Amino acid sequence: QSALTQPASVSGSPGQSITISCTGTSSDVGGYDYVSWYQQHPGKAPKLMIYRITYRPSGVSNRFSGSKSGNTASLTISGLQAEDEADYYCSSFTNSISLVFGGGTKLTVL
Amino acid sequence: QVQLQESGPGLVKPSETLSLTCTVSGDSVSSESYYWSWIRQPPGKGLEWIGYIYSSGATNYNPSLKTRVTISLDTSKNQFSLKLSSVTAADTAVYYCARESIPAGDYFDYWGQGSLVTVSS
Repeated sequence: QSALTQPASVSGSPGQSITISCTGTSSDVGGYDYVSWYQQHPGKAPKLMIYRITYRPSGVSNRFSGSKSGNTASLTISGLQAEDEADYYCSSFTNSISLVFGGGTKLTVL
Repeated sequence: QVQLQESGPGLVKPSETLSLTCTVSGDSVSSESYYWSWIRQPPGKGLEWIGYIYSSGATNYNPSLKTRVTISLDTSKNQFSLKLSSVTAADTAVYYCARESIPAGDYFDYWGQGSLVTVSS
């Protein structure tokens, strides 16, 4: 089972919006609504930011939003802030091994 | 507040067995509402799901590790454990325990802080 495909890096200036893509197949992202997004700061554990494509856990800023089209899911961060600089990982249910992660995207706030 | 804490040796010799324990507070590993999972992250690399255990003792493992992995439950101590046998340098990673929602493969809402395990002689 290959990892889901994410861009290695994205960047944006404070106040701007950025989108991180997560591409899979019909066996994972495209076939199910179980896509999640995690934020990871250096040396810290991942933190759940979005689950089931669009849902935000309690306490997560509404600047974070998720969507899906076909085999690609997306995480959008609006009103970019310095504290958003981190690595972001997507994950999806897969009918082959239960769950697969994306390779990760490093977000730089310029 | 749910908290998870990994513990175990930080250094393991090649060909030996890696053993880690996750102690859960604020929830019960006997809960029928969640799975209890292990995930690892090699230095500078991405996340890899290792496997999970359910309160019934049922397990599911990543096929790439299945022949070497055992996850078990100790309800009396509210803990679950990971054993990975025949380790090599490629198993060097930060190992996280996490609570996984039902259905499996959905999301992980609580994570431990992580435990770095280095495989070296």
